[in-house]
Amino acid sequence: EDQVTQSPEALRLQEGESSSLNCSYTVSGLRGLFWYRQDPGKGPEFLFTLYSAGEEKEKERLKATLTKKESFLHITAPKPEDSATYLCAASMKTSYDKVIFGPGTSLSVIP
Amino acid sequence: DTEVTQTPKHLVMGMTNKKSLKCEQHMGHRAMYWYKQKAKKPPELMFVYSYEKLSINESVPSRFSPECPNSSLLNLHLHALQPEDSALYLCASSQDPRVAGGFNEQFFGPGTRLTVL
Repeated sequence: EDQVTQSPEALRLQEGESSSLNCSYTVSGLRGLFWYRQDPGKGPEFLFTLYSAGEEKEKERLKATLTKKESFLHITAPKPEDSATYLCAASMKTSYDKVIFGPGTSLSVIP
Repeated sequence: DTEVTQTPKHLVMGMTNKKSLKCEQHMGHRAMYWYKQKAKKPPELMFVYSYEKLSINESVPSRFSPECPNSSLLNLHLHALQPEDSALYLCASSQDPRVAGGFNEQFFGPGTRLTVL
């Protein structure tokens, strides 16, 4: 069964304290792995797409990496404005349209 | 323009009302989606339209009726909803990966917060 899991469920960091969020996937043929940021009551905001193992993408304090079984979102020196829920989603080669979302990691960055 | 717009932002309706949610995108995307999201849960797929044709219905109750009048617009018609249908309803759109070099990221609108009394 195709599945995406994320850990931890919640993460509390001090401002400036770097850490990583994990997304593990078990899908039949990965087309792409997406990362989104979601603020409370708003729609998910697209961050990155990763297509092949070894690929890395960066944006400001965020860096996403991909292996054959998981993806990491590294947050370097986070600021309070980085507080949000981070969702990963897997797109499969068996379907152009469906993606499977992970449950998300709720990140809180304390000043 | 990478924006997906949704109206209204908030909607309160009774169980006997009929209302509609609207979504619009001007990115030339060929697929449009409706998702339902409950608090502290990930988005849950409801419907997908591909080139204006319904391609996926995730066994959604008939009190939700989607419509795609043209390639830029997507509606969700609501009738006889239940209180448990209260949620954030999200619209998204994406390119065809077959013509976009494999890219099919979904771009989301801000959502409509629906409350059913």
